[in-house]
Amino acid sequence: AQSVTQLDSQVPVFEEAPVELRCNYSSSVSVYLFWYVQYPNQGLQLLLKYLSGSTLVESINGFEAEFNKSQTSFHLRKPSVHISDTAEYFCAVSNLPYDKVIFGPGTSLSVIP
Amino acid sequence: GAGVSQSPSNKVTEKGKDVELRCDPISGHTALYWYRQRLGQGLEFLIYFQGNSAPDKSGLPSDRFSAERTGESVSTLTIQRTQQEDSAVYLCASNLGWGNEQFFGPGTRLTVL
Repeated sequence: AQSVTQLDSQVPVFEEAPVELRCNYSSSVSVYLFWYVQYPNQGLQLLLKYLSGSTLVESINGFEAEFNKSQTSFHLRKPSVHISDTAEYFCAVSNLPYDKVIFGPGTSLSVIP
Repeated sequence: GAGVSQSPSNKVTEKGKDVELRCDPISGHTALYWYRQRLGQGLEFLIYFQGNSAPDKSGLPSDRFSAERTGESVSTLTIQRTQQEDSAVYLCASNLGWGNEQFFGPGTRLTVL
């Protein structure tokens, strides 16, 4: 069965520093990949997703993630974080075809002024 | 706007009682998910409805948990003989089908005393 690993449960980082949040999934079958974000006291919302095509996908607020099939990874990166990026970040995977979406345990990103 | 709604927002019950949690998905969304989020933890997949297909119940933790969905509309998650370990936020999400963004409801916070 598919599973998702986010090795870092908490990531503190100083404002304007770069950050990488790691995500690995277990199954090497074809997958769809997602990053969701949960800001404090808010619901989950989609940050970005990979379905097909270019392995590098970007969000509107400067995050990017790269699909690496050989390493079964979908790490999330941002070159310069802001205070407003403080949130819980969840990686999610869905096997092709037509399978459910499984979430990782989440990474809590804390941006320090 | 018409998002995913869940009721009740909070539910406090005594151990051994049955509870019903309701989810109203976005109109037209063929897929509906239930997840459980324990305090400080990630999303645990419970059940997945996709159109008229048989639901994927592989995440239900025990036979005390069940869920139904009427066509492509309302879903009810029922927990029988509640236990203290059932205390969590129960999240519902819907989307237009596999590979599409999931839209999450605000959740129902269940507390079992």
